[in-house]
Amino acid sequence: NAGVTQTPKFQVLKTGQSMTLQCAQDMNHNSMYWYRQDPGMGLRLIYYSASEGTTDKGEVPNGYNVSRLNKREFSLRLESAAPSQTSVYFCASSERLNEQFFGPGTRLTVL
Amino acid sequence: RKEVEQDPGPFNVPEGATVAFNCTYSNSASQSFFWYRQDCRKEPKLLMSVYSSGNEDGRFTAQLNRASQYISLLIRDSKLSDSATYLCAVGLYNFNKFYFGSGTKLNVKP
Repeated sequence: NAGVTQTPKFQVLKTGQSMTLQCAQDMNHNSMYWYRQDPGMGLRLIYYSASEGTTDKGEVPNGYNVSRLNKREFSLRLESAAPSQTSVYFCASSERLNEQFFGPGTRLTVL
Repeated sequence: RKEVEQDPGPFNVPEGATVAFNCTYSNSASQSFFWYRQDCRKEPKLLMSVYSSGNEDGRFTAQLNRASQYISLLIRDSKLSDSATYLCAVGLYNFNKFYFGSGTKLNVKP
């Protein structure tokens, strides 16, 4: 089992460009999450999907959109990247409120 | 006010020492509790879940105090390999989401 996979691992964007971060899990979990992690800020929830077909905003949703494509895949889209979105992005999955499994992260720099 | 708060540290301890971290949470409806370990530039990985009665896994002991709304992690006989950042997380059942603390950095020195 691969667990949670994320692509790409690294990305550099210019201000105003768009991109989609991909996430997939093979553990048959219902819930999936997108976090960003900045120095000293811990993990902050951007969006989550409690089950296939539903998505909800987290603490810091502005500037992002998500799509729960199917039970396995949950993508995060930046429509018009800003330098404030420079961060490390982690995708995670879990079965309800049990242990979360994280992907390896995407390191995004917006110039 | 943050949902989950931790002392960022760093805690600098010698090998063999005992060290304890606390984590406070603000929402009394929190229903699940975890400690994660995060190594530099890596993803968080579950260290242990925290149960109401407290639980132990080798050198690690976790406890939950619902009345005072905090969880704790005790590491005995610290090893160099314990050096990492420790994140606490709480889950809110009604919202099916988690809140994480900002992490406590531990440095174990020879």
